Amino acid sequence: ETGVTQSPTHLIKTRGQQVTLRCSSQSGHNTVSWYQQALGQGPQFIFQYYREEENGRGNFPPRFSGLQFPNYSSELNVNALELDDSALYLCASSFLDGYGYTFGSGTRLTVV
Amino acid sequence: DAKTTQPNSMESNEEEPVHLPCNHSTISGTDYIHWYRQLPSQGPEYVIHGLTSNVNNRMASLAIAEDRKSSTLILHRATLRDAAVYYCIRLSGNTPLVFGKGTRLSVIA
Repeated sequence: ETGVTQSPTHLIKTRGQQVTLRCSSQSGHNTVSWYQQALGQGPQFIFQYYREEENGRGNFPPRFSGLQFPNYSSELNVNALELDDSALYLCASSFLDGYGYTFGSGTRLTVV
Repeated sequence: DAKTTQPNSMESNEEEPVHLPCNHSTISGTDYIHWYRQLPSQGPEYVIHGLTSNVNNRMASLAIAEDRKSSTLILHRATLRDAAVYYCIRLSGNTPLVFGKGTRLSVIA
């Protein structure tokens, strides 16, 4: 399988709810990163997983958590949603250190 | 902190070459220089990367200064489909990509 697939593409949630976003990486890509992109801004790094272990985290609170699975899929969980969590959430995977990352098209989350 | 500096926006005529500059004056010896672009309503897309030597691929060329403190992404013939935000990123080892604000390229027909 080629490319990175994210689901769902769009989602509307209510403030205070919890959400799980999913990502399916390319086979063999053992590094996956998640990003949040607000309108008009560059993507902001949330966290990164390497071989199912978190190995880097950006400036996001603990209510943002994730998992990476052996089948190269991963998920981003956000608890206690706030209005400011409304953004495009991007997943990216990579095969080798220093090599290029492949991004998905993202999940557009709207919190109302 | 993206640790790179790019112009906020640039404009080019269609079918003309485009040179997108990037300053990375504090780059370390192990940092690669990566370029990504993001078309409207899409995730970022890998363009090219290099360490010391100039690099070419089917999308673009990357010219790296001899002291590695700056680089230039070259689109040889801009098309309307090249209109995007272009990000210059330093990357070392298994570290994540850190995006700045990038350069918004407009292409005029």
